[in-house]
Amino acid sequence: AQKVTQAQTEISVVEKEDVTLDCVYETRDTTYYLFWYKQPPSGELVFLIRRNSFDEQNEISGRYSWNFQKSTSSFNFTITASQVVDSAVYFCALSELGRALTFGSGTRLQVQP
Amino acid sequence: DAGVIQSPRHEVTEMGQEVTLRCKPISGHNSLFWYRQTMMRGLELLIYFNNNVPIDDSGMPEDRFSAKMPNASFSTLKIQPSEPRDSAVYFCASSPTPGQGPRSYEQYFGPGTRLTVT
Repeated sequence: AQKVTQAQTEISVVEKEDVTLDCVYETRDTTYYLFWYKQPPSGELVFLIRRNSFDEQNEISGRYSWNFQKSTSSFNFTITASQVVDSAVYFCALSELGRALTFGSGTRLQVQP
Repeated sequence: DAGVIQSPRHEVTEMGQEVTLRCKPISGHNSLFWYRQTMMRGLELLIYFNNNVPIDDSGMPEDRFSAKMPNASFSTLKIQPSEPRDSAVYFCASSPTPGQGPRSYEQYFGPGTRLTVT
């Protein structure tokens, strides 16, 4: 069975601080996909990134970066120079070969001005 | 392109009533997923379809829940009879056919239906 663990329930930072959200996963498959979604206070789920299990290259998109390490089964998400608009719940998720997503419990990020 | 469309956005009903939630996936997407979000259980899969065929319904709580996908552009999730513990946000998501194209396996979510059963 697959499992996603987001040990940080809530993080509070001050604007412009960097923050890293942790994600650890478990799966028996060799081919799988990892995702991050953002859920702002309005409630929708916004797709941020997908990585497949064969691509361990880190990715950067603006202030967002992701660090995928198969050796530790982790897929961490860093926001650089956080802004108030980054306040949201962030979910890490795992999918095996296009099947349904298994979500972590989410990390609530509060960015204070 | 329009995203995933769900209706209604909010539904308040009394215990015992039938509730029908609707979803229109993104055009061209062949997989459709229904998820439920609650404080206690987080985000969990209810059922998913591929090419209109149910593939995994292991998350459907009980016989009171049923889902259909009569064609590639429409799906319903029905709860009959509804109970207060069904109160949750129900999300529909769609994705392209697995393995086809750079966006395959990416699931795009609708805005959700907030269901309250009193």
